[in-house]
Parts: sequence; structure tokens; C-alpha cells
Amino acid sequence: GIQVEQSPPDLILQEGANSTLRCNFSDSVNNLQWFHQNPWGQLINLFYIPSGTKQNGRLSATTVATERYSLLYISSSQTTDSGVYFCAVSPPDNQGGKLIFGQGTELSVKP
Amino acid sequence: ETGVTQSPTHLIKTRGQQVTLRCSSQSGHNTVSWYQQALGQGPQFIFQYYREEENGRGNFPPRFSGLQFPNYSSELNVNALELDDSALYLCASSFSQMELFFGEGSRLTVL
Repeated sequence: GIQVEQSPPDLILQEGANSTLRCNFSDSVNNLQWFHQNPWGQLINLFYIPSGTKQNGRLSATTVATERYSLLYISSSQTTDSGVYFCAVSPPDNQGGKLIFGQGTELSVKP
Repeated sequence: ETGVTQSPTHLIKTRGQQVTLRCSSQSGHNTVSWYQQALGQGPQFIFQYYREEENGRGNFPPRFSGLQFPNYSSELNVNALELDDSALYLCASSFSQMELFFGEGSRLTVL
């Protein structure tokens, strides 16, 4: 089945720094989403981005489907950005809307 | 617009017992899927329901079962609980298997 790899696994930043998180996937996909998991466990939607570029405030994302990767940019990081960031994709046959998650990037932003 | 809600938020069971977790979809959504997230891991797809029928299943045994009701709410049932079933159970809803939105999860501990 399709494999999703995220890097780096852990990241520590000072408040105000910028960062780039990467998601590689092993096959074509027809859905790609980025999530932020807060300390209480809820997955917060950041981007639905099977291709192209989107921006939302300090966050932006780019997916290059032909090269099978996606990037999440966080600018001017804040302590509230801390948590785990997940990339998730749907396989080409979209088996019942199944999302396959990467292992996540754990981000810690220090004041 | 009401988001995805799950209940209960926390529960403790003993090995061999049965558990039912509940999920209310976001308004306007017709598809519900369930995920299991073990500590330190990404969520794993259990199954999805569309039009009250199971429409896609991950690598979980038959003792994991579910229902979807006419109002698109859903239940996840787990029989004969095992210690390894301890996890965060996440429900997600979507419209026609597009962008998924997750609830806050139900944290199950099996003793």
C-alpha cells in the first residue's frame, strides 16, 4: 500500500522562527490534508491540498503531486503552534475515503 | 454550523468487555469514518460508513463493528476488548469522501 513519510520527526524552534515540514508519498493520491493535533488530541484541519499552493495567515502549503511531496510552511512561529503535524493522503482507488497518515512531526516552539 | 462531536470523551473498561463510542457528523456531511490512534502513532483507518452501509475497511478484526443512522450519526462497537485496544478513537465526517473533519476523540483505556 501507499507509504507516507514525514520529516523531520521532531523540531524545536524559538518563537518567531520559520520552519518547513515535508511529506513524501509513494504513489499517486487524490486527496492530501495537513492537520495539527492539539494537546487534547483533536485533529485540526489546516489544508486540503491535493495539488497546488494555499495560504492561511502564517501557514502555507504546497503539493507537487507529480513529484509526490507536499510542504507545510510555518512563518513567525508562536508557542501555540506547538503540537504534532500530520500529513494524510487517500490512495488512488480511494477505498471508502480512507486516509493514510504519516507518523507526524512533533513541533515545540519555545518562548 | 455544528462540528463533529464524540462521546464519551474518556472511558475505562476491563479486558473482555464491550464498548460503544458515538459520533455526530458535521451538518451537511453524509460520510463517517473511524480511526484508531495509539500513543505516539498516526491514526489508523478502521472503517467508513456511507448511506448506512460499511464502505471501506482497514486492517481491523470483525470484533470492531459500526453503524450509521439515517441522520448520519454513527457508532463504533468493539467486542471482547484487549489491552492493545487502548487508544484514542477518532471520528471524522465528510461530504462524499472529500475533505475530512475530525471530532475531539474518545480516549479508551482497557485494564
